[in-house]
Amino acid sequence: QVQLKESGPGLVQPSQTLSLTCTVSGFSLTSNSVHWVRQPPGKGLEWVGAIWSGGSTDYNSALKSRLSISRDTSKSQVFLKMNSLQTEDTAIYFCTRFDNWGQGVMVTVSS
Amino acid sequence: DVVLTQTPPTLSATIGQSVSISCRSSQSLLHSNGNTYLHWLLQRPGQSPQLLIYSVSRLESGVPNRFSGSGSGTDFTLKISGVEAEDLGVYYCVQGTHAPRTFGGGTKLELK
Repeated sequence: QVQLKESGPGLVQPSQTLSLTCTVSGFSLTSNSVHWVRQPPGKGLEWVGAIWSGGSTDYNSALKSRLSISRDTSKSQVFLKMNSLQTEDTAIYFCTRFDNWGQGVMVTVSS
Repeated sequence: DVVLTQTPPTLSATIGQSVSISCRSSQSLLHSNGNTYLHWLLQRPGQSPQLLIYSVSRLESGVPNRFSGSGSGTDFTLKISGVEAEDLGVYYCVQGTHAPRTFGGGTKLELK
């Protein structure tokens, strides 16, 4: 059974760095891509970035300078790091294969 | 980036009514490999999105066959043949042909 589960801090201070983990099961990261998608409160979905099966990454061009996605295949985990957080980064962050989605983690940027 | 424009933004329907949602792309979504990576998602209130249709018209496993997708190039349609109460929520189209992936703005389906 394919599962993805996000974890990370619910509250981050402005200008600080967000670190999220997506732990997957039921499939291999070396055979599947994993994407991060975010959703500000009451708004639509925004693609953040992805790590492909071969380990290469792609990022939303508007976030690229602040964003890093990596993985640990031995632990079946994908990591998102975003620095210089602002209030507009407040959102639910999902990890997904698109055919399967995590439950999402709410991240609030506030002092 | 590819812009996906969904219409209408809001759709009111009665149970049993058939409805359609349009997704228009700023560029052709036909990939050089011959596939078209246009997919449809449903996000029910308070839930994560779920995949309904992939590659324009392929029904995801477990999705009722009252959902269907069609289209090509830049114009795509999701049709629900007989809305049921569990279909209420926000529908999104998403493209994977061109980097970066982009989403449509969403269509909220509500009960009339």
